[in-house]
Amino acid sequence: DAGVIQSPRHEVTEMGQEVTLRCKPISGHDYLFWYRQTMMRGLELLIYFNNNVPIDDSGMPEDRFSAKMPNASFSTLKIQPSEPRDSAVYFCASSLSGGWGGSVTEAFFGQGTRLTVV
Amino acid sequence: AQSVTQLDSQVPVFEEAPVELRCNYSSSVSVYLFWYVQYPNQGLQLLLKYLSGSTLVKGINGFEAEFNKSQTSFHLRKPSVHISDTAEYFCAVSPYGNKLVFGAGTILRVKS
Repeated sequence: DAGVIQSPRHEVTEMGQEVTLRCKPISGHDYLFWYRQTMMRGLELLIYFNNNVPIDDSGMPEDRFSAKMPNASFSTLKIQPSEPRDSAVYFCASSLSGGWGGSVTEAFFGQGTRLTVV
Repeated sequence: AQSVTQLDSQVPVFEEAPVELRCNYSSSVSVYLFWYVQYPNQGLQLLLKYLSGSTLVKGINGFEAEFNKSQTSFHLRKPSVHISDTAEYFCAVSPYGNKLVFGAGTILRVKS
Protein backbone atom coordinates (compact mmCIF):
# COMPACT_ATOMS: atom_id res chain seq x y z
CA ASP A 1 0.00 0.00 0.00
CA ALA A 2 1.22 3.52 -0.74
CA GLY A 3 0.33 4.76 2.71
CA VAL A 4 -1.74 7.82 3.54
CA ILE A 5 -1.60 10.26 0.65
CA GLN A 6 -2.12 13.97 1.15
CA SER A 7 -2.30 16.70 -1.44
CA PRO A 8 -1.04 19.23 -2.02
CA ARG A 9 2.26 19.00 -0.10
CA HIS A 10 2.57 22.77 -0.04
CA GLU A 11 -0.07 25.45 -0.41
CA VAL A 12 0.40 29.20 -0.39
CA THR A 13 -2.73 31.28 -0.54
CA GLU A 14 -3.89 34.79 0.15
CA MET A 15 -5.96 35.70 3.14
CA GLY A 16 -9.66 35.33 2.44
CA GLN A 17 -9.28 32.59 -0.13
CA GLU A 18 -10.76 29.14 0.19
CA VAL A 19 -8.32 26.29 0.78
CA THR A 20 -9.04 22.59 0.35
CA LEU A 21 -6.72 19.91 1.66
CA ARG A 22 -7.14 16.35 0.51
CA CYS A 23 -6.45 12.96 2.00
CA LYS A 24 -6.59 9.38 0.79
CA PRO A 25 -6.38 6.95 3.72
CA ILE A 26 -4.90 3.49 3.62
CA SER A 27 -7.31 1.07 2.00
CA GLY A 28 -9.40 -0.81 4.56
CA HIS A 29 -8.80 1.60 7.42
CA ASP A 30 -11.96 2.71 9.16
CA TYR A 31 -10.67 5.66 11.17
CA LEU A 32 -9.47 8.94 9.67
CA PHE A 33 -7.98 11.84 11.61
CA TRP A 34 -7.08 15.41 10.74
CA TYR A 35 -4.36 17.04 12.84
CA ARG A 36 -2.81 20.48 12.77
CA GLN A 37 0.77 21.10 13.85
CA THR A 38 2.13 24.51 14.85
CA MET A 39 5.09 25.63 16.88
CA MET A 40 2.86 27.24 19.47
CA ARG A 41 0.25 24.52 19.96
CA GLY A 42 1.97 21.34 18.84
CA LEU A 43 -0.18 18.56 17.38
CA GLU A 44 -3.89 19.22 17.71
CA LEU A 45 -6.62 16.82 16.73
CA LEU A 46 -9.14 18.72 14.64
CA ILE A 47 -11.66 16.04 13.76
CA TYR A 48 -11.90 12.32 13.26
CA PHE A 49 -14.18 9.98 11.37
CA ASN A 50 -15.15 6.38 11.90
CA ASN A 51 -16.62 4.57 8.90
CA ASN A 52 -16.95 7.94 7.12
CA VAL A 53 -19.03 9.45 9.95
CA PRO A 54 -17.63 12.40 11.92
CA ILE A 55 -17.29 11.31 15.53
CA ASP A 56 -15.65 14.25 17.24
CA ASP A 57 -15.15 17.68 15.72
CA SER A 58 -14.54 19.50 18.98
CA GLY A 59 -11.04 20.39 17.86
CA MET A 60 -12.17 22.32 14.81
CA PRO A 61 -11.15 25.87 15.69
CA GLU A 62 -13.91 27.84 14.03
CA ASP A 63 -16.83 27.63 11.64
CA ARG A 64 -14.39 28.56 8.90
CA PHE A 65 -13.13 24.98 9.10
CA SER A 66 -15.11 22.07 7.71
CA ALA A 67 -14.27 18.45 6.93
CA LYS A 68 -16.00 15.81 4.90
CA MET A 69 -15.53 12.16 4.14
CA PRO A 70 -17.82 11.28 1.24
CA ASN A 71 -16.47 7.74 0.96
CA ALA A 72 -13.97 5.41 2.57
CA SER A 73 -11.12 6.47 0.33
CA PHE A 74 -11.28 10.25 0.41
CA SER A 75 -11.54 13.12 2.85
CA THR A 76 -11.22 16.90 2.60
CA LEU A 77 -10.49 19.66 5.05
CA LYS A 78 -11.68 23.04 3.91
CA ILE A 79 -10.91 26.47 5.28
CA GLN A 80 -13.09 29.32 4.07
CA PRO A 81 -12.08 32.10 4.36
CA SER A 82 -8.45 31.45 5.24
CA GLU A 83 -6.49 33.67 7.65
CA PRO A 84 -2.75 34.01 8.34
CA ARG A 85 -3.17 32.29 11.71
CA ASP A 86 -4.27 29.16 9.88
CA SER A 87 -0.72 28.72 8.62
CA ALA A 88 0.43 25.33 9.84
CA VAL A 89 1.19 21.79 8.75
CA TYR A 90 -1.97 19.74 8.43
CA PHE A 91 -1.69 15.98 8.80
CA CYS A 92 -4.10 13.29 7.86
CA ALA A 93 -3.84 9.88 9.52
CA SER A 94 -5.76 6.64 9.23
CA SER A 95 -6.14 3.61 11.44
CA LEU A 96 -7.71 0.20 11.54
CA SER A 97 -9.77 -0.55 14.61
CA GLY A 98 -8.95 -3.61 16.64
CA GLY A 99 -8.36 -4.77 20.17
CA TRP A 100 -11.08 -3.93 22.64
CA GLY A 101 -14.31 -3.22 20.87
CA GLY A 102 -12.85 -1.23 18.05
CA SER A 103 -10.12 0.79 19.76
CA VAL A 104 -7.55 2.55 17.65
CA THR A 105 -4.36 0.53 17.74
CA GLU A 106 -2.03 2.55 15.54
CA ALA A 107 -2.33 5.55 13.27
CA PHE A 108 -0.45 5.95 10.01
CA PHE A 109 0.33 9.50 9.03
CA GLY A 110 0.61 11.18 5.68
CA GLN A 111 3.47 13.52 4.80
CA GLY A 112 1.39 16.55 5.63
CA THR A 113 0.34 19.71 3.81
CA ARG A 114 2.25 22.85 4.70
CA LEU A 115 -0.23 25.72 4.44
CA THR A 116 0.93 29.30 4.32
CA VAL A 117 -1.67 32.06 4.31
CA VAL A 118 -0.27 35.47 3.41
CA ALA B 1 -10.28 13.39 29.33
CA GLN B 2 -6.73 12.30 28.63
CA SER B 3 -3.52 14.29 28.66
CA VAL B 4 0.11 13.58 27.93
CA THR B 5 3.07 15.38 29.45
CA GLN B 6 6.51 15.15 27.93
CA LEU B 7 8.77 16.49 30.59
CA ASP B 8 11.61 17.72 28.38
CA SER B 9 11.18 19.96 25.37
CA GLN B 10 14.76 19.34 24.22
CA VAL B 11 17.33 16.68 25.09
CA PRO B 12 20.92 17.14 23.90
CA VAL B 13 23.12 14.06 24.01
CA PHE B 14 26.43 12.95 22.57
CA GLU B 15 26.61 10.22 19.99
CA GLU B 16 26.81 6.69 21.45
CA ALA B 17 25.52 7.86 24.82
CA PRO B 18 22.27 6.46 26.29
CA VAL B 19 19.12 8.56 26.28
CA GLU B 20 15.76 8.58 28.02
CA LEU B 21 12.80 10.66 26.88
CA ARG B 22 10.16 10.98 29.56
CA CYS B 23 6.41 10.71 29.14
CA ASN B 24 3.65 10.78 31.72
CA TYR B 25 -0.04 10.51 31.01
CA SER B 26 -3.33 11.06 32.73
CA SER B 27 -6.46 9.07 31.98
CA SER B 28 -9.49 7.81 33.84
CA VAL B 29 -9.75 4.82 31.54
CA SER B 30 -7.33 2.24 30.23
CA VAL B 31 -5.24 3.42 27.32
CA TYR B 32 -2.95 2.24 24.60
CA LEU B 33 0.43 4.02 24.52
CA PHE B 34 2.61 5.02 21.59
CA TRP B 35 5.83 6.73 20.67
CA TYR B 36 6.14 8.41 17.28
CA VAL B 37 9.15 10.02 15.64
CA GLN B 38 9.10 12.95 13.24
CA TYR B 39 12.10 13.76 11.08
CA PRO B 40 12.33 17.26 9.58
CA ASN B 41 9.65 18.01 7.01
CA GLN B 42 8.14 14.56 7.30
CA GLY B 43 5.11 12.91 8.80
CA LEU B 44 5.03 10.92 12.00
CA GLN B 45 6.32 7.37 12.07
CA LEU B 46 5.45 4.83 14.73
CA LEU B 47 8.42 3.76 16.87
CA LEU B 48 6.62 1.41 19.23
CA LYS B 49 3.35 0.76 20.98
CA TYR B 50 2.02 -0.77 24.16
CA LEU B 51 -1.36 -2.46 23.90
CA SER B 52 -1.18 -5.12 26.60
CA GLY B 53 1.08 -7.83 27.98
CA SER B 54 4.76 -7.30 28.76
CA THR B 55 5.40 -3.82 30.06
CA LEU B 56 8.74 -3.59 28.23
CA VAL B 57 8.15 -2.87 24.58
CA LYS B 58 10.78 -2.95 21.88
CA GLY B 59 10.45 -0.88 18.76
CA ILE B 60 12.33 0.05 15.64
CA ASN B 61 15.82 1.55 15.46
CA GLY B 62 16.85 0.06 18.81
CA PHE B 63 14.35 2.00 20.91
CA GLU B 64 12.40 0.54 23.80
CA ALA B 65 9.89 1.82 26.32
CA GLU B 66 8.54 0.65 29.63
CA PHE B 67 4.95 1.02 30.72
CA ASN B 68 4.58 1.78 34.42
CA LYS B 69 0.95 1.81 35.39
CA SER B 70 1.46 2.93 38.98
CA GLN B 71 3.48 5.94 37.87
CA THR B 72 1.42 6.45 34.69
CA SER B 73 4.61 6.71 32.70
CA PHE B 74 5.88 5.40 29.38
CA HIS B 75 9.49 6.52 29.07
CA LEU B 76 11.43 5.92 25.87
CA ARG B 77 15.03 4.71 26.00
CA LYS B 78 17.91 3.88 23.73
CA PRO B 79 21.24 2.54 25.03
CA SER B 80 23.38 4.19 22.35
CA VAL B 81 22.19 6.96 20.07
CA HIS B 82 23.35 7.89 16.60
CA ILE B 83 23.41 11.19 14.74
CA SER B 84 20.54 9.87 12.63
CA ASP B 85 18.32 9.70 15.73
CA THR B 86 18.12 13.49 15.77
CA ALA B 87 14.40 14.18 15.42
CA GLU B 88 11.31 15.12 17.39
CA TYR B 89 9.66 12.40 19.43
CA PHE B 90 6.01 12.35 20.43
CA CYS B 91 4.33 10.30 23.11
CA ALA B 92 0.63 9.57 22.58
CA VAL B 93 -2.24 7.80 24.27
CA SER B 94 -5.34 6.27 22.81
CA PRO B 95 -8.14 5.88 25.32
CA TYR B 96 -10.51 2.98 25.09
CA GLY B 97 -12.48 3.48 21.95
CA ASN B 98 -10.76 6.00 19.76
CA LYS B 99 -8.42 8.84 18.83
CA LEU B 100 -4.84 9.69 19.68
CA VAL B 101 -3.87 12.42 22.13
CA PHE B 102 -0.29 13.65 21.71
CA GLY B 103 2.21 15.24 24.03
CA ALA B 104 4.03 18.44 23.10
CA GLY B 105 7.04 16.58 21.75
CA THR B 106 10.72 16.28 22.72
CA ILE B 107 13.47 17.30 20.34
CA LEU B 108 16.40 14.92 20.57
CA ARG B 109 19.66 16.51 19.43
CA VAL B 110 22.52 14.09 19.01
CA LYS B 111 25.94 15.73 18.91
CA SER B 112 29.16 14.27 17.57
